[in-house]
Amino acid sequence: KAGVTQTPRYLIKTRGQQVTLSCSPISGHRSVSWYQQTPGQGLQFLFEYFSETQRNKGNFPGRFSGRQFSNSRSEMNVSTLELGDSALYLCASSLATLTDTQYFGPGTRLTVL
Amino acid sequence: AQSVTQLDSQVPVFEEAPVELRCNYSSSVSVYLFWYVQYPNQGLQLLLKYLSGSTLVKGINGFEAEFNKSQTSFHLRKPSVHISDTAEYFCAVSNTGTASKLTFGTGTRLQVTL
Repeated sequence: KAGVTQTPRYLIKTRGQQVTLSCSPISGHRSVSWYQQTPGQGLQFLFEYFSETQRNKGNFPGRFSGRQFSNSRSEMNVSTLELGDSALYLCASSLATLTDTQYFGPGTRLTVL
Repeated sequence: AQSVTQLDSQVPVFEEAPVELRCNYSSSVSVYLFWYVQYPNQGLQLLLKYLSGSTLVKGINGFEAEFNKSQTSFHLRKPSVHISDTAEYFCAVSNTGTASKLTFGTGTRLQVTL
């Protein structure tokens, strides 16, 4: 069974631009969560989508948004990029709830110059 | 709100020695607890999780953890480590009343040497 895939793996943007990251969950998984990992703040929860609806949201500004499609694939968008948005963005998928094991993708490394 | 404290940022250990990585959490409600491992340039892999029942949880790669409610701890142990266990280990907690929203600790770097 294929794992969670994230594209692109690496991305370089400049301040003020916007970016879209993609996550394809494991087949059959309906829940997709996004996390930001930085050396200073560690791993922080961004949001979770289930059946195309945002089910949970972390404490990030509105510049961070996401969506989920009917095939459970998810995208997250960051508008008006800031230097502090440089991070590893991880996507995780699970069957439905938190009690189901979350499987993480390899992440997208975003660098903002 | 929950929080997780991993008391050690780095733990050096010799191969075949035992190891304990410490994790304490804070929450006003019931929680689920998790340990994840992250190898260089990779995503996170679940080692084990505590949802309910037996407080001693066994995971993959010979790891185990014990949930101690009175001490609000969930320490990770392995009786004999290998070089291949060198990685970053994260403790995480979630509210049992919500869905997939994990709060992670800052991580412990386990460095195994010969």
